[in-house]
Amino acid sequence: NAGVTQTPKFRVLKTGQSMTLLCAQDMNHEYMYWYRQDPGMGLRLIHYSVGEGTTAKGEVPDGYNVSRLKKQNFLLGLESAAPSQTSVYFCASSTPPGRYGYTFGSGTRLTVV
Amino acid sequence: DQQVKQNSPSLSVQEGRISILNCDYTNSMFDYFLWYKKYPAEGPTFLISISSIKDKNEDGRFTVFLNKSAKHLSLHIVPSQPGDSAVYFCAASGTSYDKVIFGPGTSLSVIP
Repeated sequence: NAGVTQTPKFRVLKTGQSMTLLCAQDMNHEYMYWYRQDPGMGLRLIHYSVGEGTTAKGEVPDGYNVSRLKKQNFLLGLESAAPSQTSVYFCASSTPPGRYGYTFGSGTRLTVV
Repeated sequence: DQQVKQNSPSLSVQEGRISILNCDYTNSMFDYFLWYKKYPAEGPTFLISISSIKDKNEDGRFTVFLNKSAKHLSLHIVPSQPGDSAVYFCAASGTSYDKVIFGPGTSLSVIP
């Protein structure tokens, strides 16, 4: 059982480059989320989606865009990467109402140089 | 300004003893609280939760206590085992939204 799968697992970008992080879940969950984890900051919500075709901003949305064209996939895009976006990114999914427990992916470690 | 605080970045406990991880929150609208456990190179996994209508919830070796008046919760692990060594995140949410706010985490080391 795959659960939540994130690709890639590691990536190094140069400042100004763009990339897309892919999150796929096979649990038929309605809700999906993107978080970033930084030392001393815990997990901070970037964007989330409560269903196919919907997206909403979280705590730290600037510099990121997302799309949820299919229920099982949630894409996180960086249009012009900055060193401040160096972080570990986690995707999660859940059934409504969401707060009763997320299933997380194993993370993507992104370094922007 | 962090709405969920875990003031101890790390904690070290002997195997077999009790581990107590603390969490404070500032938003009085939070009414559901969760603990997640995270091993290196893995995503967080849900551990235990508590609703604000309760003051205690147990699941095996794990017990969460909630003190609403103090806006404080704690996770007790008894007895602690080396496999419990991980980062523990406290999290909270309110009824008006489905987003969960996480604390910065406490790294627990259980020494054999």
